[in-house]
Amino acid sequence: GESVGLHLPTLSVQEGDNSIINCAYSNSASDYFIWYKQESGKGPQFIIDIRSNMDKRQGQRVTVLLNKTVKHLSLQIAATQPGDSAVYFCAEIPNSSGGFKTIFGAGTRLFVKA
Amino acid sequence: DVKVTQSSRYLVKRTGEKVFLECVQDMDHENMFWYRQDPGLGLRLIYFSYDVKMKEKGDIPEGYSVSREKKERFSLILESASTNQTSMYLCASSQDRGGTEAFFGQGTRLTVV
Repeated sequence: GESVGLHLPTLSVQEGDNSIINCAYSNSASDYFIWYKQESGKGPQFIIDIRSNMDKRQGQRVTVLLNKTVKHLSLQIAATQPGDSAVYFCAEIPNSSGGFKTIFGAGTRLFVKA
Repeated sequence: DVKVTQSSRYLVKRTGEKVFLECVQDMDHENMFWYRQDPGLGLRLIYFSYDVKMKEKGDIPEGYSVSREKKERFSLILESASTNQTSMYLCASSQDRGGTEAFFGQGTRLTVV
């Protein structure tokens, strides 16, 4: 079946270092891949997305990489800050869903050490 | 500032009760969604709506129903609450299909005892 999974449930990084959060997906026919950030007590917040015809997209301090050959998605956070501590979800939108169904991964919790 | 508001942050209900979870968005979005979030399982789609009075089942609709009488409001109904429906419930809205640029509410933590 369709699934989006994460390699590591927890990631701990030193403040100022770069963070890399990885995600494997199983559906090769998806239009969009999305990263969400969920802080404690809040709903998920959109960070960045990438279309299936791209392999890299940059935002402010974040970069998403898409490797369709191995069905791998990653989120890179530059100069990680304490405010980046949160759970990060990768998500994909399969073409078969008509664009409505977003499949979320289980999440990775990022701890930033001062 | 865009906003999705869920009526309650915390709810405690008894088994067998009928439970209403309300969600309102102020962005004039076409699409609205209800998810439940459980540890280790991510977010799972219960129901969604792409227009007033329209609704579609998600992945786990059993035990739930929804109502969308007005564009800005999407209600999730637990007809007869059970303990396995104890969870965090998240409402979201989006203008585009697929939840791209989806905006989430703060969540309702429901405990069924």
